[in-house]
Amino acid sequence: KNQVEQSPQSLIILEGKNCTLQCNYTVSPFSNLRWYKQDTGRGPVSLTIMTFSENTKSNGRYTATLDADTKQSSLHITASQLSDSASYICVVSAGGGSYIPTFGRGTSLIVHP
Amino acid sequence: SQTIHQWPATLVQPVGSPLSLECTVEGTSNPNLYWYRQAAGRGLQLLFYSVGIGQISSEVPQNLSASRPQDRQFILSSKKLLLSDSGFYLCAWRAGRYSNQPQHFGDGTRLSIL
Repeated sequence: KNQVEQSPQSLIILEGKNCTLQCNYTVSPFSNLRWYKQDTGRGPVSLTIMTFSENTKSNGRYTATLDADTKQSSLHITASQLSDSASYICVVSAGGGSYIPTFGRGTSLIVHP
Repeated sequence: SQTIHQWPATLVQPVGSPLSLECTVEGTSNPNLYWYRQAAGRGLQLLFYSVGIGQISSEVPQNLSASRPQDRQFILSSKKLLLSDSGFYLCAWRAGRYSNQPQHFGDGTRLSIL
């Protein structure tokens, strides 16, 4: 069964600090991994996508890494801002024409001033 | 550009009443469409997906049904709501069957059952 596990479940940091969110997956055959940001009361928005051959991808202050051998990904947020407060969801898609990505439960990040 | 609309944004319904949530997509054709439910503090649970008009796949047995009467219209329905149907309902679309395309989500409907 395809699964995506995220840690920590929640995280509180001070504005300006860095943080790293983790994602472990068992999805086969692997196609790609996305990180989404979901603001409270809104739909998720895609931040990054990584395929099997990519190790690192950046989007502004967000940097995602992928280790396809250990089936782990991380999302690093640099110099956090209050607007980074949101839920961050790891989503893994399988190959072979699958229509259904597998969602993690998300990490809830709160950035305090 | 493509946009997705969901309505209503919030809804309060009594137990046993019917439900109809609508989702429409603009600026694309033949999208894959999805309905998700998100309980408080939980992940997104896929309820239904559709790859074409009249083609609906259900992921979990439940009190809800879905229909796709037009290419870019996806409707979530119930004949009689249960307390357990409360939650945050999200509609999403994706271009075609290729999994490297992102899902684009609407802003959801907050459904409260009294």
